[in-house]
Amino acid sequence: GAVVSQHPSWVICKSGTSVKIECRSLDFQATTMFWYRQFPKQSLMLMATSNEGSKATYEQGVEKDKFLINHASLTLSTLTVTSAHPEDSSFYICSARKTGLNTEAFFGQGTRLTVV
Amino acid sequence: QQQVKQSPQSLIVQKGGISIINCAYENTAFDYFPWYQQFPGKGPALLIAIRPDVSEKKEGRFTISFNKSAKQFSLHIMDSQPGDSATYFCAATNNAGNMLTFGGGTRLMVKP
Repeated sequence: GAVVSQHPSWVICKSGTSVKIECRSLDFQATTMFWYRQFPKQSLMLMATSNEGSKATYEQGVEKDKFLINHASLTLSTLTVTSAHPEDSSFYICSARKTGLNTEAFFGQGTRLTVV
Repeated sequence: QQQVKQSPQSLIVQKGGISIINCAYENTAFDYFPWYQQFPGKGPALLIAIRPDVSEKKEGRFTISFNKSAKQFSLHIMDSQPGDSATYFCAATNNAGNMLTFGGGTRLMVKP
């Protein structure tokens, strides 16, 4: 199967600082990547759809100025949590679909963000 | 609003037993239904998936049953093992939309 690598696996940051999370498709090109947020014992909630070379599409209720998404190439998307606060602490997961029709989505291993 | 409803929320099964997780969807445009397995602290991993042109798909101990008219699909894990203990998510999507809509998840515990 295809590999999606997410980095870092975990990060602790101080309140008010910014944190960048990277999502890379290692062996395939991904025109579209997705960013999810998952709270403990809950399902994945889609935050935004990241399209290569264009602006991300954010889901309702997700602050685009707080969660900056950049998809500069067909293999890399980044999520930057700006001015992080303790309530931003969560498990962030990216996924990528291969370019083309009827393709599967592959997930990264997730990033545990803790804001202190 | 697109929704996928999953049940039960939690499930305890004895080793060797059959684990059954059910999902129901509303959007008739959905045409791809994957199941994901997630261990604590890890991202979801694709387990098995089905498209609505078939009513059943089997891969090893895992089987998806699909009922298009009822808009329901289920995952059966045969001969459940303690290593199967994880959270399972059903999902649905249409290719045009690309995004996955997830069910609420089922925490499965297989007792030795």
